[in-house]
Amino acid sequence: GAGVSQTPSNKVTEKGKYVELRCDPISGHTALYWYRQSLGQGPEFLIYFQGTGAADDSGLPNDRFFAVRPEGSVSTLKIQRTERGDSAVYLCASSFLNTGELFFGEGSRLTVL
Amino acid sequence: GQNIDQPTEMTATEGAIVQINCTYQTSGFNGLFWYQQHAGEAPTFLSYNVLDGLEEKGRFSSFLSRSKGYSYLLLKELQMKDSASYLCAVSPPGSWGKFQFGAGTQVVVTP
Repeated sequence: GAGVSQTPSNKVTEKGKYVELRCDPISGHTALYWYRQSLGQGPEFLIYFQGTGAADDSGLPNDRFFAVRPEGSVSTLKIQRTERGDSAVYLCASSFLNTGELFFGEGSRLTVL
Repeated sequence: GQNIDQPTEMTATEGAIVQINCTYQTSGFNGLFWYQQHAGEAPTFLSYNVLDGLEEKGRFSSFLSRSKGYSYLLLKELQMKDSASYLCAVSPPGSWGKFQFGAGTQVVVTP
């Protein structure tokens, strides 16, 4: 498809487990963003990639969260030792550089039991 | 920080006009953006303002006053499909897509 693709759409895991969430951005978009959204709240910024490098990771809540984008396209958000408070919808978005018109994926809903 | 405040919910009738206000506290930003999010779906870009004034895009218009720390989104000729959450967001200097989002305003359109 032509849009941002995220997998899995739903992930249920147990506390303490490791999870990976994948994002396939729109072809040609250099910028890639990860946000997370809790019920009734707006998306919360996590990390921003410009090409392969993380240009800004100031939104990652702690060192259990890590993200990579090794070839400047697909990105993976990795969460170690998951906690119940990590439960949220994780949104990925991509865009051309220097624009605020982001194209969001449908999100990965993470539930930590 | 950039506190962003918007009403939690608004109800309006099909065909009417609704104005969603957004106030913010920030020392500077690139632009103020509005996104629409239907329940269970991804946010989609609606409009943005960099300079003070009104930007019109079809049935949707957005207004910005930097001196007053205020923006609004105007939805005209409301349709049932406009029932959604409307998110106000600001992007800090030097980072267009790193948004601080408000909590969103849920607009309910009734027949």
